[in-house]
Amino acid sequence: GQQLNQSPQSMFIQEGEDVSMNCTSSSIFNTWLWYKQEPGEGPVLLIALYKAGELTSNGRLTAQFGITRKDSFLNISASIPSDVGIYFCAGPPLTPVNYGGSQGNLIFGKGTKLSVKP
Amino acid sequence: EAQVTQNPRYLITVTGKKLTVTCSQNMNHEYMSWYRQDPGLGLRQIYYSMNVEVTDKGDVPEGYKVSRKEKRNFPLILESPSPNQTSLYFCASSFNRGNSPLHFGNGTRLTVT
Repeated sequence: GQQLNQSPQSMFIQEGEDVSMNCTSSSIFNTWLWYKQEPGEGPVLLIALYKAGELTSNGRLTAQFGITRKDSFLNISASIPSDVGIYFCAGPPLTPVNYGGSQGNLIFGKGTKLSVKP
Repeated sequence: EAQVTQNPRYLITVTGKKLTVTCSQNMNHEYMSWYRQDPGLGLRQIYYSMNVEVTDKGDVPEGYKVSRKEKRNFPLILESPSPNQTSLYFCASSFNRGNSPLHFGNGTRLTVT
C-alpha cells in the first residue's frame, strides 16, 4: 500500500537543541498531520496543515506543508525533556479515482523517536 | 471531557481464547478505526467504520472482527487470538474520514501466550 517515509527514525539530542524531522511520500496529500505519542499513551495531534506551502506554529513547534504536496517538515526549537516521545506524520492521500475530492484513510509514517538529554 | 475510551488497558491471554477490546467515544464522531502498533512498523490500520453498520478492512484485518451497532462504540474482536497478535492496540475516532484529525484512546497492550 501507500507509504510515508519519515526520517530520521530516532534522535538523541541535548536539551536546548533544535530538532528537525520530515516526511515524504510518492503520493500527493492535501492534508498533513503531525502527532506526538508519549510513553504509555495514544498519539495526540500537534499540528494540522491543509494548504500547500502552509507554515503553522504551535508554541515551539513549527510545521510546513511542502509545496509539492508530497512532503512535510516538523521543527522543534529549544528542546526540553518533556519533548521526549515518538512523533508521527500522517495524512490521507488523494485517491486516483477522486483526485480533487474525497480522501482515503489516514496513513502514518513509522515515527521519529526523540530522546532529550537534560 | 471529549475522549476515546478503550478497555482494558492491559490484557494477557492464551492462544485461542476469544477476547473483545471495547472502544467508546463521546464526541458523536462518525468515523472510528482500530490500529495496531508494533516496533519498527508504526501504526497499521486493522479495520475502520465510516458510520453505524458500515465497516471495512484496513491494511491488516486478518484474525480480527469489528462491529458498529451504535455510533459511539466500536469493539475489536479476536475470535481465536494467536501470539502474532501480541501488540499495542489503539482505537481512534474523527468527525469524518481522512481529512479530520483522529482522536486516539490510550491503548490496550495485549499479550497472547
